[in-house]
Amino acid sequence: GDSVTQMEGPVTLSEEAFLTINCTYTATGYPSLFWYVQYPGEGLQLLLKATKADDKGSNKGFEATYRKETTSFHLEKGSVQVSDSAVYFCALSGPNTGNQFYFGTGTSLTVIP
Amino acid sequence: DTGVSQNPRHKITKRGQNVTFRCDPISEHNRLYWYRQTLGQGPEFLTYFQNEAQLEKSRLLSDRFSAERPKGSFSTLEIQRTEQGDSAMYLCASSLEGTVDEQYFGPGTRLTVT
Repeated sequence: GDSVTQMEGPVTLSEEAFLTINCTYTATGYPSLFWYVQYPGEGLQLLLKATKADDKGSNKGFEATYRKETTSFHLEKGSVQVSDSAVYFCALSGPNTGNQFYFGTGTSLTVIP
Repeated sequence: DTGVSQNPRHKITKRGQNVTFRCDPISEHNRLYWYRQTLGQGPEFLTYFQNEAQLEKSRLLSDRFSAERPKGSFSTLEIQRTEQGDSAMYLCASSLEGTVDEQYFGPGTRLTVT
């Protein structure tokens, strides 16, 4: 079935470091791919999305490119800030998933000053 | 618009009791979803409504769980005869049909069964 695999955390980085969180997916058809972020004590928020191969989603300095050939959607940011500390979830939704999302297990990021 | 709201935010109950959670979606959204999230895991789909019709249910949704959306606006999720394994965060999300599956999540209701 459809699924998402995320790199395990937790990840700890110093401020201004480069961030990569890996996400790969398994799906039949052509899913849409998403990154959601969950700040402490808050609900999930959509960070960015891509709906077809080679699309790049971007928001708040974060980017992810939909790579069909490697079935990946890695999240990157060039220079992280303390305020980026949160849990990041990769997710997919597609023509074969009905109307539900499949989420990865989440990657906890802590940025230290 | 204040987004998706859920009540209560926290619920502690004893095993065997019934609990009910409420979700108020974004007002113009016709789709509503319930998910369950346990510690260290991503959200898992439970059920989905389009307007007042419940169109999908996960195998995770045992017969002790029931969800309603009677007027196509707010929704309730009831768990009967709670078990300790039901302890989790219950998330509600809503979306507008035709917006490429962009779901907006509420803050969740954290259930603790003692």
